[in-house]
Amino acid sequence: GAGVSQSPSNKVTEKGKDVELRCDPISGHTALYWYRQSLGQGLEFLIYFQGNSAPDKSGLPSDRFSAERTGGSVSTLTIQRTQQEDSAVYLCASSWSSGGASGQYFGPGTRLTVT
Amino acid sequence: QKEVEQNSGPLSVPEGAIASLNCTYSDRGSQSFFWYRQYSGKSPELIMSIYSNGDKEDGRFTAQLNKASQYVSLLIRDSQPSDSATYLCAVNKGNQGGKLIFGQGTELSVKP
Repeated sequence: GAGVSQSPSNKVTEKGKDVELRCDPISGHTALYWYRQSLGQGLEFLIYFQGNSAPDKSGLPSDRFSAERTGGSVSTLTIQRTQQEDSAVYLCASSWSSGGASGQYFGPGTRLTVT
Repeated sequence: QKEVEQNSGPLSVPEGAIASLNCTYSDRGSQSFFWYRQYSGKSPELIMSIYSNGDKEDGRFTAQLNKASQYVSLLIRDSQPSDSATYLCAVNKGNQGGKLIFGQGTELSVKP
């Protein structure tokens, strides 16, 4: 079946602009996660959604970052007033549940470059 | 102290050898443990999960968990050049829903 998809695959934007990154999880997966990975670094948790519960936003680095998940499926991560330090690969993952017992499956990522 | 620690490597092994990758974690309440493989320029790929003390085997891969010592390891038997990648250890703490805490990853290089 189809895996996690993300769009765009690459995004170059000027400092100060807003960007939207999209994630379409695996069908039937109830949990959705956003991470980012800077060059040569590990994965940094940003936010996760489970069903209709309030999202865990504890990893968002600033109030310029926000995310929503519509209809329990597609999610959009928005970064307002982008800064150069926002340059990274943004990865989305989904899983069957959020209980931690099931592994997460990652999409191909969106490479964001802020100039 | 980082919550999940791995040696960054690179770990270099000859083709056909056993590669041993190690990971330690700080939270004793952690319940689920995962190994991901990440090729350069690609996203992480789930290769193993383990939840109970002991060994879990899947093909050439064996995951080992020791909760008392707070470590989890991944053994790759008969290593192949195609196994060359960065291996990420991820831990679910059990009290934060599905959030995973990732180690920095160990780079493995398998030499022909």
